[in-house]
Amino acid sequence: DQQVKQNSPSLSVQEGRISILNCDYTNSMFDYFLWYKKYPAEGPTFLISISSIKDKNEDGRFTVFLNKSAKHLSLHIVPSQPGDSAVYFCAASVNYGQNFVFGPGTRLSVLP
Amino acid sequence: KAGVTQTPRYLIKTRGQQVTLSCSPISGHRSVSWYQQTPGQGLQFLFEYFSETQRNKGNFPGRFSGRQFSNSRSEMNVSTLELGDSALYLCASSLADPNYGYTFGSGTRLTVV
Repeated sequence: DQQVKQNSPSLSVQEGRISILNCDYTNSMFDYFLWYKKYPAEGPTFLISISSIKDKNEDGRFTVFLNKSAKHLSLHIVPSQPGDSAVYFCAASVNYGQNFVFGPGTRLSVLP
Repeated sequence: KAGVTQTPRYLIKTRGQQVTLSCSPISGHRSVSWYQQTPGQGLQFLFEYFSETQRNKGNFPGRFSGRQFSNSRSEMNVSTLELGDSALYLCASSLADPNYGYTFGSGTRLTVV
């Protein structure tokens, strides 16, 4: 049973527009969430995190929103750039940062 | 600043053999985690070491084991290899403060034939 789901395997967005990547989870004990970006032949790169005591965290063009009641989080990228084209993984953990469970990933393509 | 280094990058082994993968974390990082990435299962957590002690373990059989040395370098061992063990094995290191996330290596691509 997948505890972390990313229901969109792929997403295409025009350069300059907003990219919204979604992630749903089933385990209400998750208290810490991360987003990673992965280019081919490289390991995932940490993007942004959010703990369950917050509902929003912003870092430059990246904003993560957490809706605990819906067990849903989303990553917004504004404005999207071609270099953002990658696979994005959502990850969640219990006890703040140990034993992360990853979603299957969403492939984002930003079109020039 | 050097990143997380995993060796070797590619490995081909035969069923039944055993394999050892190595991970050198970022200097100063004391936590090392291992993940298996496959097309069907995505990224799955194997285990995490902190200060030479395994403090978390995922749902993998006992054929998968690891250890961490006093310099924080870590090794992962898989015994009696099966075809299904073919995957990209990723190592990630952290200061152990989750606010900084984990830094991943480029991985070791293991192919079992």
